[in-house]
Amino acid sequence: DAKTTQPPSMDCAEGRAANLPCNHSTISGNEYVYWYRQIHSQGPQYIIHGLKNNETNEMASLIITEDRKSSTLILPHATLRDTAVYYCIVRVVAGTYKYIFGTGTRLKVLA
Amino acid sequence: DSGVTQTPKHLITATGQRVTLRCSPRSGDLSVYWYQQSLDQGLQFLIQYYNGEERAKGNILERFSAQQFPDLHSELNLSSLELGDSALYFCASSLDATGDTQYFGPGTRLTVL
Repeated sequence: DAKTTQPPSMDCAEGRAANLPCNHSTISGNEYVYWYRQIHSQGPQYIIHGLKNNETNEMASLIITEDRKSSTLILPHATLRDTAVYYCIVRVVAGTYKYIFGTGTRLKVLA
Repeated sequence: DSGVTQTPKHLITATGQRVTLRCSPRSGDLSVYWYQQSLDQGLQFLIQYYNGEERAKGNILERFSAQQFPDLHSELNLSSLELGDSALYFCASSLDATGDTQYFGPGTRLTVL
């Protein structure tokens, strides 16, 4: 699985968009980008995933660059409850079974 | 609420002891995964079971073992416990064996004194 690089921490004002970057320059053509978050010491929570097209769901949007070497998770209107560690993971969907979690980005939403 | 349940929430025990952690996957999910999260190692994959069979192993110690029962719940057994085994243990489940979109339980916090 390709490795990812994320900034260790970010702050965001409540109500503003939070843009969390992830670098995955060694990603392969069949590897997806997944985002999970972990609020305090709770179990990681699935947010979104994508291959090459931008994706949006009720929680967030995922923007993947055309060369797929980086992506950005966007929380459109951050709330205090979005304060968490956000993990960007790349993995092959078929044939692998585990997530390799890096150190993630600690997002703090400020009132 | 992910639909994955884990018991107990907290466990305090002594070195050398043995404990069992339990996980019930989401309804309909056939795969169960165990992860360990310690302060110095982050989240690490331990083992996967799919429909009762061991599917994959990660960084699981020989002192640790797991199984998945016919009703698909899983147990993680930790023996000869050491101080360094103190960690959060998470169970996750997914629909099939590929691990696409894993749903995590609330975890069991193990403290070894």
